Amino acid sequence: NAGVTQTPKFQVLKTGQSMTLQCAQDMNHNSMYWYRQDPGMGLRLIYYSASEGTTDKGEVPNGYNVSRLNKREFSLRLESAAPSQTSVYFCASIPSRGIGYTFGSGTRLTVV
Amino acid sequence: QKEVEQNSGPLSVPEGAIASLNCTYSDRGSQSFFWYRQYSGKSPELIMSIYSNGDKEDGRFTAQLNKASQYVSLLIRDSQPSDSATYLCAVNDGNNRLAFGKGNQVVVIP
Repeated sequence: NAGVTQTPKFQVLKTGQSMTLQCAQDMNHNSMYWYRQDPGMGLRLIYYSASEGTTDKGEVPNGYNVSRLNKREFSLRLESAAPSQTSVYFCASIPSRGIGYTFGSGTRLTVV
Repeated sequence: QKEVEQNSGPLSVPEGAIASLNCTYSDRGSQSFFWYRQYSGKSPELIMSIYSNGDKEDGRFTAQLNKASQYVSLLIRDSQPSDSATYLCAVNDGNNRLAFGKGNQVVVIP
């Protein structure tokens, strides 16, 4: 089925460990995004990629890095996980002139 | 920092009634606005988009936009238990980046 696929769906990390969250879309969308969602904070933009080969910081980029591997894939890396990065992470994509994001199913990350 | 405010607390409505949700935004230049529905433990799902002042209806949902007053609202008519969810207001900053409000929880009571 067409859409945005995120892996893994759940992850528990120890403080200081690293990991990469994967996101892939098969809708030929140009722009891709990583958000985090915390209780009482809403969805906050971490990084985005307006097109293949470009990435930019969003509202809360500290502690994260991203890679736009190709038009389909946009990964988010935590180099040294901290408990403050415990959150639900959503990847989203949009055509260059879309009417709204399509979201992936999310990754629930716990850092202990 | 472009802000999107959804200040109302949880909203409880009887089945069949109208649920009304409001959202204000800070960037007067914003041009496109969205309502997402999010069930507990699930990802946000787009239910309405609106770009022009006035009302836009889609089934039981009506979005209302007033750019002069910088608010967007969502009405859910004939509310059903399946409408129980959190509703997120989102505003496009002009570069396809969405700023989201914190959401309003709606509980439809059978």
